Amino acid sequence: QVQLVESGGGVVQPGRSLRLSCAASGFTFSSHGMHWVRQAPGKGLEWVALIRYDASKKWYADSVKGRFIISKDNSKNTLYLQMDSLRAEDTAVYYCAREEGFCSDAGSCYSVYWGQGTPVTVSS
Amino acid sequence: QSVLTQPPSVSAAPGQKVTISCSGSSSNIGNNFVSWYQQFPGTAPKLLIYDNNQRPSGIPDRFSGSKSDTSATLGITGLQTGDEADYYCGTWDSSLTAVVFGTGTKVTVL
Repeated sequence: QVQLVESGGGVVQPGRSLRLSCAASGFTFSSHGMHWVRQAPGKGLEWVALIRYDASKKWYADSVKGRFIISKDNSKNTLYLQMDSLRAEDTAVYYCAREEGFCSDAGSCYSVYWGQGTPVTVSS
Repeated sequence: QSVLTQPPSVSAAPGQKVTISCSGSSSNIGNNFVSWYQQFPGTAPKLLIYDNNQRPSGIPDRFSGSKSDTSATLGITGLQTGDEADYYCGTWDSSLTAVVFGTGTKVTVL
């Protein structure tokens, strides 16, 4: 069965960096794009980034553009989110999710499979 | 700030029906497919509807979706106490080249 397991979250000071990982299993990882979605405490869902199945294209929310980098290692079945210059407003639970369809090409953009989330707290 | 607007809350008695609206624009809902998610506190979102009105396997037909122009609607019939949760719409925004989610709606069963 499909499993997505995030790790790497924690408490970090403003301006520092953190790298999240999402270990995927139960499907052909190299055939699927992947998202990062976050949710600040008591707030709604906020999409963070999307990477194409072959890592050839990446898209970012304006709020993280230039600070976060999404990547995937298809040989390790792992998705990453490198987060630099962290701010207090980046505090959230970060979820990885599998892309179904092709968001940018077909406009059909949804996720059936989500990880359990990893919490990130940015605080001094 | 989300580009998709939902009512903050809706409520109804058990067995009744609720509808949740999701208002967007031509760059998102108007030209792309809409999905809907259910989320309980402390858990990951669960897909209820994709491609405007399609239900994944295992989702009861009490949940339905529709789209018209730049708005979408989620309907829940035969409301149950277990339906008390937050609900989000989502879609691709072709101008922003980004996924956008709605502001979220809390469903309360009276």
